[in-house]
Amino acid sequence: GAVVSQHPSWVICKSGTSVKIECRSLDFQATTMFWYRQFPKQSLMLMATSNEGSKATYEQGVEKDKFLINHASLTLSTLTVTSAHPEDSSFYICSATGTSGRLDTQYFGPGTRLTVL
Amino acid sequence: QKEVEQDPGPLSVPEGAIVSLNCTYSNSAFQYFMWYRQYSRKGPELLMYTYSSGNKEDGRFTAQVDKSSKYISLFIRDSQPSDSATYLCAMSPYSGGYQKVTFGTGTKLQVIP
Repeated sequence: GAVVSQHPSWVICKSGTSVKIECRSLDFQATTMFWYRQFPKQSLMLMATSNEGSKATYEQGVEKDKFLINHASLTLSTLTVTSAHPEDSSFYICSATGTSGRLDTQYFGPGTRLTVL
Repeated sequence: QKEVEQDPGPLSVPEGAIVSLNCTYSNSAFQYFMWYRQYSRKGPELLMYTYSSGNKEDGRFTAQVDKSSKYISLFIRDSQPSDSATYLCAMSPYSGGYQKVTFGTGTKLQVIP
């Protein structure tokens, strides 16, 4: 139980384009979802927290107009990187807490590697 | 000073060795402690969690928490090449429901056959 999937697993795009990443909880209802960035040899950096049906809460320094988060249902959250630039290239990971497992434990997706040319 | 400090390694050990991975923290509000394992290019996988000081065992893994010293450890017995991964400690000030989790930078472990 407590499986989280992400799609796509990797994506390459041109500078200036937008990229959408999906995060789904497969076997539980995710009341809260999180989006992280991870650079090589660095820890997970929380970007934003979203609750179903509410606006996401962004961490300090994260541009909410650049990283659009939509938590439309209890099983789906999307992150759209708008007007992507090479510095946005990173590993993006989502996680979720909810009705499966421990309510206070995050279950992570497999991550999406974004490369912006 | 970072809230959570973790030696990045890499740590190389021979197969069968006992591995000790550690984190220190500065925030005394942290009450909930977790260890995640992350394989290269994959998302973190929850290994163990604990609230209290003391030891918690699960198979070859033992999590140890010393709140008085603000120090947590993960021990891996009879280490296997498949244990080669990055291990992240994580902690939060649990008071029911979700609390923001703070992660360590991770320790890269390599178990050599």
